[in-house]
Parts: sequence; C-alpha cells; structure tokens
Amino acid sequence: SAVISQKPSRDICQRGTSLTIQCQVDSQVTMMFWYRQQPGQSLTLIATANQGSEATYESGFVIDKFPISRPNLTFSTLTVSNMSPEDSSIYLCSVLGPTNTEAFFGQGTRLTVV
Amino acid sequence: AQRVTQPEKLLSVFKGAPVELKCNYSYSGSPELFWYVQYSRQRLQLLLRHISRESIKGFTADLNKGETSFHLKKPFAQEEDSAMYYCALNQGAQKLVFGQGTRLTINP
Repeated sequence: SAVISQKPSRDICQRGTSLTIQCQVDSQVTMMFWYRQQPGQSLTLIATANQGSEATYESGFVIDKFPISRPNLTFSTLTVSNMSPEDSSIYLCSVLGPTNTEAFFGQGTRLTVV
Repeated sequence: AQRVTQPEKLLSVFKGAPVELKCNYSYSGSPELFWYVQYSRQRLQLLLRHISRESIKGFTADLNKGETSFHLKKPFAQEEDSAMYYCALNQGAQKLVFGQGTRLTINP
C-alpha cells in the first residue's frame, strides 16, 4: 500500500489569492494524480504529475490555473491560482500502489474561497 | 466519451436486506472497472476491481459487457456498510473516471 499525507487539510482563502497543496507519499511512485471534487459532484481528474517532466492536464484544466510541481518521486504540489469562489472544492492527491492496479488517495484538502 | 453513471445518489436499506448499487459505463475499449468506498471520516479506498473477481466484505460486482454495467451487490447488508460508494473506470494509464457516487445508508 501507499500512505499519502496532504497538507493543508482545509483552508479558507480570499479570492484572487493562491494556495499550494502538498502531497507526500511514504514510498517512491512514478505517477501522481490530482483530482478535484466540487460540492455535490464526483471526482474529476485535473492532471497527472510525472517526475522529471511536465504535468499532463485533462481537458478543461490549464497549467496557468493549476501549476504542478513534482521535484522527486515522493512529493508533489498543486497550486490553485487566482482563486474564485468556483474553486471551492476538495482537492485530492492520488498515487498507484506497487502493483499499479490500485489507486491510493490522500485525505483531501477542503478549500473554501470567499 | 468515457462516462460512468450511478443513477442513485442515495440508497437506504434495512440491515440484513440485499443491496445493489448500480453502475453503468460508456467506454469504447475493454473496460477496467473498480468500486471505491469512503467511510465516514476516512479517505477514499479501493473496495474491489472487476479483474480480480473477488468478494470483499461480502460485496461482489460482475462486469456485464452486454449491458455495460458493473453493479455492486451484497446479499445481507450490515450497518458498517453505510458509506459513499463510487464506481470508477480506468480510461487509460490508470486515470480514473468516477461516477457521481451513491450514499448507502443501512438502517438498523
């Protein structure tokens, strides 16, 4: 299995500011994923973060809004930039386990933009 | 386009009764499907995957390609089964597409 720590667990931010969410894994993993869960909605994949290369963004998500860093095989950050109330969501970090067949999730970061 | 549909947002059954959580998918290739569960105050975790054809906590799910379904079933519900359940599809490279989720409540 993989144990994921996400920080912060929650935050309330002013519109127009940015928040960086950290994801730390207890083992080296190739791929890390960032998901968003808007209120009352399902999880939607934002991007895939690979160490040593640019993140790959899904349709509807852009690097300027959600810059991602992946400095090593155990850590990644997602920044939510120039926030608006529509960015209020739970953001989740996910990695694949050793067999690459099971996804493990962090506890999520609950973001409220006011 | 890949899509996962869970038609029931809420499902409530009595303890000991059978449970079926519905999941339908849309995918052009050979699907790889999962059920994830989130218990109260816990993180999202894998319940089962169709490839394993296993039973976890009494739950089973059979992939029906003809009906494009992957319904989750349990013959006798228990109170500890109360949770949020998500059906998910691997759209490639383990990128998951999730359904809307079904909140299951087991009444005593």
